[in-house]
Amino acid sequence: EIVLTQSPGTLSLSPGERATLSCRASQSVSSSYLAWYQQTPGQAPRLLIYDVFSRATGIPDRFSGSGSGTDFTLTISRLEPEDFAVYYCQQYGTSPLTFGGGTKVEIK
Amino acid sequence: VHLVQSGAEVKKPGASVKVSCKASGYNFIGYYMHWVRQAPGQGLEWMGWINPIGGGTNYAQKFQGRVTLTRDTSTSTAYMELTGLKYDDTAVYYCARVRGGLPFFEYWGQGTLVTVSS
Repeated sequence: EIVLTQSPGTLSLSPGERATLSCRASQSVSSSYLAWYQQTPGQAPRLLIYDVFSRATGIPDRFSGSGSGTDFTLTISRLEPEDFAVYYCQQYGTSPLTFGGGTKVEIK
Repeated sequence: VHLVQSGAEVKKPGASVKVSCKASGYNFIGYYMHWVRQAPGQGLEWMGWINPIGGGTNYAQKFQGRVTLTRDTSTSTAYMELTGLKYDDTAVYYCARVRGGLPFFEYWGQGTLVTVSS
C-alpha cells in the first residue's frame, strides 16, 4: 500500500502568515489522485482539494495544492482564524485508499 | 446532501456493532459509499466501500473477515457491521460519499463513536 508521510507534525503560525504543508508518498501517486482535507475538533473532515490542485466547492482561493509523483504540498496563503485545524492528505489512485498522519496547524 | 449516522455505541470485547448511515438529498444508488474510521487522537483509516447498485463491496485487507457493508436502497441507508470487536476498535466511524467516479470524499456523516469496553 502507498504510505503517505505528512510533515511537519505541527506547524505553529500566526494569523496572516503563510502555511506550507507537505505530503510525501512511498511510491508515485497514480494519475495525481491526491486530495487534502481539513478537520476541526469534533467535526468530520472537510474536502479542500482534489486531483492535486482542484479546489472543492466553496473553498476559498487562499488554499492551493501542488505537486506530482511522490511530493505534494498544500499552501494556505494567509491564515485566517478558522484555518487552525488538522490537515490530512489522501491518495485515491491505488487501492487501498490511504491517508497521511496529519499536520496540525496551531496558533503561535 | 445529508448523511445522518446512528448514535454512539458501547460494546464489550468480542461483540458486534452495526452503524447506519441514512442518505438524503441525492440519488442514493448513484454514488459509492465508503467507511472511514478515526481512533481517538489519531488519523483517518479507510475501511471499504459499497456500490449501492447491486451491493458489491471492497474491503481493506485489515478488516477482511470482520467487516460487512450492506445497503437498503428502499430507505437510502448504508450499514457497516464490525464483528469480533477489540479494544483498539474504539473509534469514530464515518460514512463518506464520493464526489463522482473517483474515491475522494465530498460528503461525510457526522460520525458514530463506538467504544469497546469491558
